[in-house]
Amino acid sequence: NAGVTQTPKFQVLKTGQSMTLQCAQDMNHEYMSWYRQDPGMGLRLIHYSVGAGITDQGEVPNGYNVSRSTTEDFPLRLLSAAPSQTSVYFCASSFTTQETQYFGPGTRLLVL
Amino acid sequence: KNQVEQSPQSLIILEGKNCTLQCNYTVSPFSNLRWYKQDTGRGPVSLTIMTFSENTKSNGRYTATLDADTKQSSLHITASQLSDSASYICVVSAGPGGGNKLTFGTGTQLKVEL
Repeated sequence: NAGVTQTPKFQVLKTGQSMTLQCAQDMNHEYMSWYRQDPGMGLRLIHYSVGAGITDQGEVPNGYNVSRSTTEDFPLRLLSAAPSQTSVYFCASSFTTQETQYFGPGTRLLVL
Repeated sequence: KNQVEQSPQSLIILEGKNCTLQCNYTVSPFSNLRWYKQDTGRGPVSLTIMTFSENTKSNGRYTATLDADTKQSSLHITASQLSDSASYICVVSAGPGGGNKLTFGTGTQLKVEL
């Protein structure tokens, strides 16, 4: 099992550009989520999905879109990048919301 | 508002020594409490997960305790090693009545030195 994989590892964007952060898991987990981690703050939930075809907003959803067409994949789209979106992004998955989450290695994003 | 507070913010100890990290929470309704270890530049990795009825759980040299009455948890690391240098994050899950939401602490940064 590869677990949770994320690509790219690092990305630099200019303000206004769009991009997609990829996340995939091979553990047949129903629950997947995206977090951002900023210095001095706890992980904050951006969007989550409880199964294919179902997504919902987390704590900080503005500026981000998600979709879940398969159980395995949960991409995060930045519509028009802003410097405030400079952060480290983590994807996580678990069987249910009440069980241990498995995190990916993260994507470090710098928006200039 | 649900909150998780961790102390200390950072800690330096000598290799071989023990240490204890604290987590206080105000999350309702409580479902479970998790401790994660996050190495620099990596994603968090689960150490333990405890429900209301569990007051202690071990994972090798890591032992977590939970006092649901006082809403406190601790993570005790025994015989520390250099590889224990990391951020330790406490996460509390609210139950279905709380939307199954997770509340993350900001972590304790531990450095183990020779």
